[in-house]
Amino acid sequence: SQQGEEDPQALSIQEGENATMNCSYKTSINNLQWYRQNSGRGLVHLILIRSNEREKHSGRLRVTLDTSKKSSSLLITASRAADTASYFCATDANDYKLSFGAGTTVTVRA
Amino acid sequence: EAGVAQSPRYKIIEKRQSVAFWCNPISGHATLYWYQQILGQGPKLLIQFQNNGVVDDSQLPKDRFSAERLKGVDSTLKIQPAKLEDSAVYLCASSPFTHEQFFGPGTRLTVL
Repeated sequence: SQQGEEDPQALSIQEGENATMNCSYKTSINNLQWYRQNSGRGLVHLILIRSNEREKHSGRLRVTLDTSKKSSSLLITASRAADTASYFCATDANDYKLSFGAGTTVTVRA
Repeated sequence: EAGVAQSPRYKIIEKRQSVAFWCNPISGHATLYWYQQILGQGPKLLIQFQNNGVVDDSQLPKDRFSAERLKGVDSTLKIQPAKLEDSAVYLCASSPFTHEQFFGPGTRLTVL
């Protein structure tokens, strides 16, 4: 079964705008990760946030985690055409197994 | 550093036929995973190996799917016989026993 649920399912933005997507999950976690998948390719790890962290940054990415609400958000600032991809959140209950959501498809228009 | 290698990249078979996928993880990565990703969904874990031992295969349909990890390195995933609902992308990932996983490009299977 899939633990995380992303919202929205799809997002279309203009180049230069920010993109925000959310992830909700059901059970306790050790960490939450975000992955990107370009069309027809494997997943690429973007960022990991531990359950005792509230916010983390990596380049143009900002992730927040609210364990009381069992939710996380991923913000991509100043989007580029190359950011067009599907984004997945994945939860890890400290057993080194990932449970993925269905993903958010982001399209960045030039 | 070379990434996770998978072959073939694409495979088309008739239902009831057999198929095998191969994965070569990143050198030194002790943990290897196989996922099934159906179109429009996130990856679903099928099996997890630690070195050449199975850690978790609870989601593997064992009546038709089998997997092995040879000498704790390469791995093969087999489906026999295939059903229409097995059409999906099969992803292999490896990890050096950290929480981050490194994914291969996947094998897209179409069952007709």
